Amino acid sequence: SQQGEEDPQALSIQEGENATMNCSYKTSINNLQWYRQNSGRGLVHLILIRSNEREKHSGRLRVTLDTSKKSSSLLITASRAADTASYFCATAPIDDKIIFGKGTRLHILP
Amino acid sequence: EAGVVQSPRYKIIEKKQPVAFWCNPISGHNTLYWYLQNLGQGPELLIRYENEEAVDDSQLPKDRFSAERLKGVDSTLKIQPAELGDSAVYLCASSSPAGPYNEQFFGPGTRLTVL
Repeated sequence: SQQGEEDPQALSIQEGENATMNCSYKTSINNLQWYRQNSGRGLVHLILIRSNEREKHSGRLRVTLDTSKKSSSLLITASRAADTASYFCATAPIDDKIIFGKGTRLHILP
Repeated sequence: EAGVVQSPRYKIIEKKQPVAFWCNPISGHNTLYWYLQNLGQGPELLIRYENEEAVDDSQLPKDRFSAERLKGVDSTLKIQPAELGDSAVYLCASSSPAGPYNEQFFGPGTRLTVL
């Protein structure tokens, strides 16, 4: 069963704009991670946020976590063409295995 | 630092044939994962190793899939016999002793096509 679900499934924005994608999950978690996958390339870890954290930054990335709503958001500021990729949230439930969502396909338009 | 290495990158086989995938994790990473990724989907965990011990293989279809991690380093995932529905990308990942399900480093994957 799918633990994490990203929203939207697909997103197209102009270069320079900000991109926001969301992830909802069902059960309590240890941590939530975001990964990026470019076309034809492997998955790359972007950021990990633990259940006791509410916000985390890494360069142009900002991740929030709301455990009461069981949701997380990933914000990419000042988007670039190289940000075109699929973005996956992965949840690590307590005492269970990690589960990836289906992903958000982000397309940055020139 | 070398990343996770997988081979082959691509494999095309006839159904009912056997196939094997190989993975070499990042040096010092004692946790190794095998995932299956279908087109348009996220990765699904097949098996997780802590050193040479399989600690989570609940999602591995044991009637046709097998895996091993001899000496707790390299790992091999095998399918015998392959079915049409096994066509997918098989990903290997590893993570450091900091604990399972922290940052994972993924290999490029093996794209399997079963005809």
